[in-house]
Amino acid sequence: DAKTTQPPSMDCAEGRAANLPCNHSTISGNEYVYWYRQIHSQGPQYIIHGLKNNETNEMASLIITEDRKSSTLILPHATLRDTAVYYCIVRVSWVVGDMRFGAGTRLTVKP
Amino acid sequence: DGGITQSPKYLFRKEGQNVTLSCEQNLNHDAMYWYRQDPGQGLRLIYYSQIVNDFQKGDIAEGYSVSREKKESFPLTVTSAQKNPTAFYLCASSQSSPSYEQYFGPGTRLTVT
Repeated sequence: DAKTTQPPSMDCAEGRAANLPCNHSTISGNEYVYWYRQIHSQGPQYIIHGLKNNETNEMASLIITEDRKSSTLILPHATLRDTAVYYCIVRVSWVVGDMRFGAGTRLTVKP
Repeated sequence: DGGITQSPKYLFRKEGQNVTLSCEQNLNHDAMYWYRQDPGQGLRLIYYSQIVNDFQKGDIAEGYSVSREKKESFPLTVTSAQKNPTAFYLCASSQSSPSYEQYFGPGTRLTVT
């Protein structure tokens, strides 16, 4: 499995975009980048995933660099409810059980 | 409402007792998973099951056991052999393929004293 590196914590002002970086320099060609988040004492919630193209859904955008060695999760207009731990995971999508959560980034959205 | 149910939310046991954590899903997912989370840490995979009557060990299976007799149920037993059972336990489910995300339950916080 490719390992990921994320900053342990970040702050963001309410209403501004939150940009959460993730380094995955050893990612292989068949590994996807997944993002989940975990609000305190709840189960993680799926946000988005991608292979090499940028992706957008109703929650967030995922920007993956051309060399695929890093990515950025963007929450376009952060709210207080976006305060959570965000996990970046790289995995081969069709391998069941191949999900490894690191320590993630604790995002605090401030008023 | 479709989703994953874990019960109870809080569970207290004495050391030396086995305890079974419940996980039920009505999402018609083939695969189910159990994770353990310690304070300030990420999730670690205990067991997973791709199909009924089949399951595989994850990274930290020692001291745990599971069964998968029904598609919608995947109970986890924390045995007395688990040295540090106090933790937050999360159950998840997903489709088996091709590109799938895992859906998580609300978790059970187990405290063993």
